[in-house]
Amino acid sequence: GENVEQHPSTLSVQEGDSAVIKCTYSDSASNYFPWYKQELGKRPQLIIDIRSNVGEKKDQRIAVTLNKTAKHFSLHITETQPEDSAVYFCAASKGGSYIPTFGRGTSLIVHP
Amino acid sequence: KAGVTQTPRYLIKTRGQQVTLSCSPISGHRSVSWYQQTPGQGLQFLFEYFSETQRNKGNFPGRFSGRQFSNSRSEMNVSTLELGDSALYLCASSRGQGAGLQFFGPGTRLTVL
Repeated sequence: GENVEQHPSTLSVQEGDSAVIKCTYSDSASNYFPWYKQELGKRPQLIIDIRSNVGEKKDQRIAVTLNKTAKHFSLHITETQPEDSAVYFCAASKGGSYIPTFGRGTSLIVHP
Repeated sequence: KAGVTQTPRYLIKTRGQQVTLSCSPISGHRSVSWYQQTPGQGLQFLFEYFSETQRNKGNFPGRFSGRQFSNSRSEMNVSTLELGDSALYLCASSRGQGAGLQFFGPGTRLTVL
């Protein structure tokens, strides 16, 4: 089955810095890659996603890049703010009737 | 549109007991997936129901079971509870079967003593 590795497990940055979280996947048939943000005590919420026919997608301070050849995708957050502090999960799915496989999560801490 | 709801939000049980958790998906969503979240293992997929049928199953023992009703509401049951079953149980709904946009509920925090 699909295996998703996520790094780093913890990321500490200063407010205003950029943060990058990387994920690799094993199944070349995966074609849908969502990212979720989970604040402490709250539910995971989808923040951005990308499909395999696109190499990059941006939404304000958040961007995701996908390298299908290398089978990795990354989340980029620019101008980080304390409210960006949360656990971020990547996932990979083959679409259709397949359930996403999640990475272990990255705890992002943004220091004011 | 109302989001995914889960009841109860918190539950304390003792070893050997059984528990039933409930999930109501977003109106119009027919797929409900269940996940177990623990600090050590992250988000682990339990099973998915679509149109009252289990479509996918994760690698959990038979003590974990579920069902889905005709209104798409889903229940998850854990029998003979073990200490290691303490976790946050999340359900997620989506319009279609399997992958695609999933919306998570707030979770049920289960503590087994």
